[in-house]
Amino acid sequence: QQQVKQSPQSLIVQKGGISIINCAYENTAFDYFPWYQQFPGKGPALLIAIRPDVSEKKEGRFTISFNKSAKQFSLHIMDSQPGDSATYFCAASIRNTGTASKLTFGTGTRLQVTL
Amino acid sequence: DGGITQSPKYLFRKEGQNVTLSCEQNLNHDAMYWYRQDPGQGLRLIYYSQIVNDFQKGDIAEGYSVSREKKESFPLTVTSAQKNPTAFYLCASRGPTGDSYNEQFFGPGTRLTVL
Repeated sequence: QQQVKQSPQSLIVQKGGISIINCAYENTAFDYFPWYQQFPGKGPALLIAIRPDVSEKKEGRFTISFNKSAKQFSLHIMDSQPGDSATYFCAASIRNTGTASKLTFGTGTRLQVTL
Repeated sequence: DGGITQSPKYLFRKEGQNVTLSCEQNLNHDAMYWYRQDPGQGLRLIYYSQIVNDFQKGDIAEGYSVSREKKESFPLTVTSAQKNPTAFYLCASRGPTGDSYNEQFFGPGTRLTVL
């Protein structure tokens, strides 16, 4: 059972454009939603994360928009650059269990930013 | 430097052999995780451990085994019972670090190929 659905599977954006990746979740107990960036042959690295008590979080060119009622969240990359070309994963977890905190990942979006 | 190391970077296995992937962290994190990554399927959890001498099965534990004898180390053995072991294996650790309570830090990965 896939609890976090991510789309699109791949995305091509021109340099300077806006990249948008969407995720939807099913488990209403989730309360921590990170996005990870992965370059080929490397491990993922945390990009930005949000808790459901806010609807938006911005860090530089990266913004997470969160819609709790729709159980959806999205990553927006403004002014996309060729260096942003990577695979992006959304994830979700229950934050405050203290133990057995597991991330459930989406299937990933391969972003290519063209010149 | 603080971080997570995985070795080897590339590993080749003959069918019927067991192989062990190494994961070491010096972040003083209690929790450690093993994921398998296949194209188009995101990251799937194999095993995780909250504390020394304790670990739990993830979503795809069949054909794998782990141990957690030291806080710093969480080796993964891919046994001959794993029918399709060719994949990219990622180790991660997690600790409560300020607001990023659930952030998982990933190692660089091991690419296992069955010959």
